[in-house]
Amino acid sequence: EAGVTQSPTHLIKTRGQQATLRCSPISGHTSVYWYQQALGLGLQFLLWYDEGEERNRGNFPPRFSGRQFPNYSSELNVNALELEDSALYLCASSLAGGSVQPQHFGDGTRLSIL
Amino acid sequence: SQQGEEDPQALSIQEGENATMNCSYKTSINNLQWYRQNSGRGLVHLILIRSNEREKHSGRLRVTLDTSKKSSSLLITASRAADTASYFCATVAGGYQKVTFGIGTKLQVIP
Repeated sequence: EAGVTQSPTHLIKTRGQQATLRCSPISGHTSVYWYQQALGLGLQFLLWYDEGEERNRGNFPPRFSGRQFPNYSSELNVNALELEDSALYLCASSLAGGSVQPQHFGDGTRLSIL
Repeated sequence: SQQGEEDPQALSIQEGENATMNCSYKTSINNLQWYRQNSGRGLVHLILIRSNEREKHSGRLRVTLDTSKKSSSLLITASRAADTASYFCATVAGGYQKVTFGIGTKLQVIP
């Protein structure tokens, strides 16, 4: 069984640009979660999608947005990039049932802002 | 804001010893989960303990939950070098089942 896959592995952008990160969940998983892991700050919850709908959102500005497609894959978009957006962005998926289900993580996209 | 706070932030032990990591949280939870993260990789789910459970085992892992003290502990027995990783607790709370991760404990097991 293929795990959660994220692309690209690394992404280098400059301030003010826009970034798109992609995530493919495990087959059969309908929930997708996005997290930001900046150095020394642990994982910060960004977004939770389930069945194509946004279920919950963390304390991030509106320039962080995303969507979930009919095949349950997901995209995270970050507009007007700032230096502090440099981080590892992790995607996780789970079966339906929300957070009573364990989350399965991809290896992340490392976003570097120059 | 962080819900779970792991303690210690870093731990270094010899192979074969036991490792104990603690997690404290502030509000009522639905369940608490422990994850492991190897350097540069995603997180791997280890164990989920529900708010009405007090102890759970999985192989060399033992998790306890004390809801009156709002704390949990993860014990790894007979540690191995391969256990070297960061360990995170994640609390699940609220009607929207929000998952909140702590900063993690960095465990180093010396062969």
